[in-house]
Amino acid sequence: DTGVSQDPRHKITKRGQNVTFRCDPISEHNRLYWYRQTLGQGPEFLTYFQNEAQLEKSRLLSDRFSAERPKGSFSTLEIQRTEQGDSAMYLCASMPDRALEEQYFGPGTRLTVT
Amino acid sequence: AQKITQTQPGMFVQEKEAVTLDCTYDTSDQSYGLFWYKQPSSGEMIFLIYQGSYDEQNATEGRYSLNFQKARKSTNLVISASQLGDSAMYFCAMREGSYNQGGKLIFGQGTELSVKP
Repeated sequence: DTGVSQDPRHKITKRGQNVTFRCDPISEHNRLYWYRQTLGQGPEFLTYFQNEAQLEKSRLLSDRFSAERPKGSFSTLEIQRTEQGDSAMYLCASMPDRALEEQYFGPGTRLTVT
Repeated sequence: AQKITQTQPGMFVQEKEAVTLDCTYDTSDQSYGLFWYKQPSSGEMIFLIYQGSYDEQNATEGRYSLNFQKARKSTNLVISASQLGDSAMYFCAMREGSYNQGGKLIFGQGTELSVKP
């Protein structure tokens, strides 16, 4: 396994612009999670996919946020009309569909909204 | 509501000594999982150790062990023989319910550990 990868690693954008992040999970991991981590805090859950189905969304995920996982492989997280409060690290994690497995995290995408 | 509390924002330990990082949790679920992750300054989250709510033995993984006290709802991480490379943020996390209920993690605010030479 090559691990969870995320692209880009860093993104600087101006307020009001749209951004899209990509996550490639470990192959054959059915479950994929997105978390957001602001400075000095622990990660907070955003959304979860099992294969291509988005099964849970946090209240943190406003209507400016959308996530997809076509064909149950990679996932994208899009933020429309970015705001300065969106500045954070966006972490992706995957795990196999078995009990008691830990989630494997990617390196994250650090977003800075100016 | 489920909640994880880490009351130590920062900890110092001398190299080669042991250190305990505290974590308490709150849940009404009977089935849950408790995790510890390490986050170095580079940002990636590294899984360290896991304890299931029904596990009777304290989990151990190399230099990492858990002091799991279910009645007190605490799961403290013990790092033995600290190394300079252990300097990082440490997060305690809880998985709500069983794995087939989604498996999202709830994280504490973290403890920053600094190992002194």
